[in-house]
Amino acid sequence: DSGVTQTPKHLITATGQRVTLRCSPRSGDLSVYWYQQSLDQGLQFLIQYYNGEERAKGNILERFSAQQFPDLHSELNLSSLELGDSALYFCASSASPVYEQFFGPGTRLTVL
Amino acid sequence: GQSLEQPSEVTAVEGAIVQINCTYQTSGFYGLSWYQQHDGGAPTFLSYNALDGLEETGRFSSFLSRSDSYGYLLLQELQMKDSASYFCAALRGNQLIWGAGTKLIIKP
Repeated sequence: DSGVTQTPKHLITATGQRVTLRCSPRSGDLSVYWYQQSLDQGLQFLIQYYNGEERAKGNILERFSAQQFPDLHSELNLSSLELGDSALYFCASSASPVYEQFFGPGTRLTVL
Repeated sequence: GQSLEQPSEVTAVEGAIVQINCTYQTSGFYGLSWYQQHDGGAPTFLSYNALDGLEETGRFSSFLSRSDSYGYLLLQELQMKDSASYFCAALRGNQLIWGAGTKLIIKP
């Protein structure tokens, strides 16, 4: 158990819909990262937050947005969903050493 | 640009030694991390090399050569439970740049 929690574990929705994925980092970790992993693919970095502020942006679509709240939990919002958005979405957190990230169990999103 | 290259798949025999290579092209490079991911699971951190040389942690070792922009993960005394995907990730500033992953298949 990494100490990072993600909800929900599974999500099934239809094209055009909007969903929110939630992540709680390890206690004390200020940085939160969001990744997308499609079937048998590598990890695609989406976005990073540090203590409530956006720190880095990766290949995040305009239909996707995220935020980190004062209690440090983070939410990833995906809107106008398409079939291709079906993937595993991971949240990770880290303390000072950015190279050591702790991953949550992921949210498996299926868009039908 | 920034990129990391690693083989898509490596096959080895239980009890043997296997090396997974990673070459990188990344400006502002600080170091190289390795992560393991079992099917359906989350990535877990294995090691980090900031300096040239070999870092050993039990059956796993990781090597870095900055002059060659190259690193590798060495797994010894392979066990079936080592069957997983292995990712190298370069630290650039405060961000990790990820390789596409190497699927390690272990045969009995």
